[in-house]
Amino acid sequence: DVKVTQSSRYLVKRTGEKVFLECVQDMDHENMFWYRQDPGLGLRLIYFSYDVKMKEKGDIPEGYSVSREKKERFSLILESASTNQTSMYLCASGDRLEKLFFGSGTQLSVL
Amino acid sequence: RKEVEQDPGPFNVPEGATVAFNCTYSNSASQSFFWYRQDCRKEPKLLMSVYSSGNEDGRFTAQLNRASQYISLLIRDSKLSDSATYLCVVSLGGFQKLVFGTGTRLLVSP
Repeated sequence: DVKVTQSSRYLVKRTGEKVFLECVQDMDHENMFWYRQDPGLGLRLIYFSYDVKMKEKGDIPEGYSVSREKKERFSLILESASTNQTSMYLCASGDRLEKLFFGSGTQLSVL
Repeated sequence: RKEVEQDPGPFNVPEGATVAFNCTYSNSASQSFFWYRQDCRKEPKLLMSVYSSGNEDGRFTAQLNRASQYISLLIRDSKLSDSATYLCVVSLGGFQKLVFGTGTRLLVSP
């Protein structure tokens, strides 16, 4: 069965902290994604990666960076967390048919 | 106009009812279409892809109307477990061009 694992289900951080969100997939997919989901706004793409060490900006990359050193792992980094980054963060991997498989999400609260 | 629009609902239906949702999209060049299901506080999960000829999976039927630029999802014989938010996803081609709707909430009651 397909599996995408996110390291934390809930995180509470303070403004200005550096935050790392980790995601691992076991499907050997080349494509991985980070989305955030906010009420009334739906899912918005932050960054995606189509290969190791490759990354592309999504719709809302400001304030975020990513790292993909290994095929199975895709990390999202908040260099200096701000309150407007409080959100549900969803990692996904994608197959060749544009189907997405999501992790269970990380609810991040920045105080 | 939003790229992908859905009625947020909620749609309240009794068990056994048939319910249908529509999702409209603005770009006529859209190529791929999907329905995802999201339970409360859980991640979205792929329900079905939507093909030009329409497709069926058990109690679920998805259809595409390119002329009017909408896709639909029909659920027959609703179960309590069908209660969820249904997300419409449209692609212009390629993962970076996937656009999610904000979802339609379905509540099935006994």
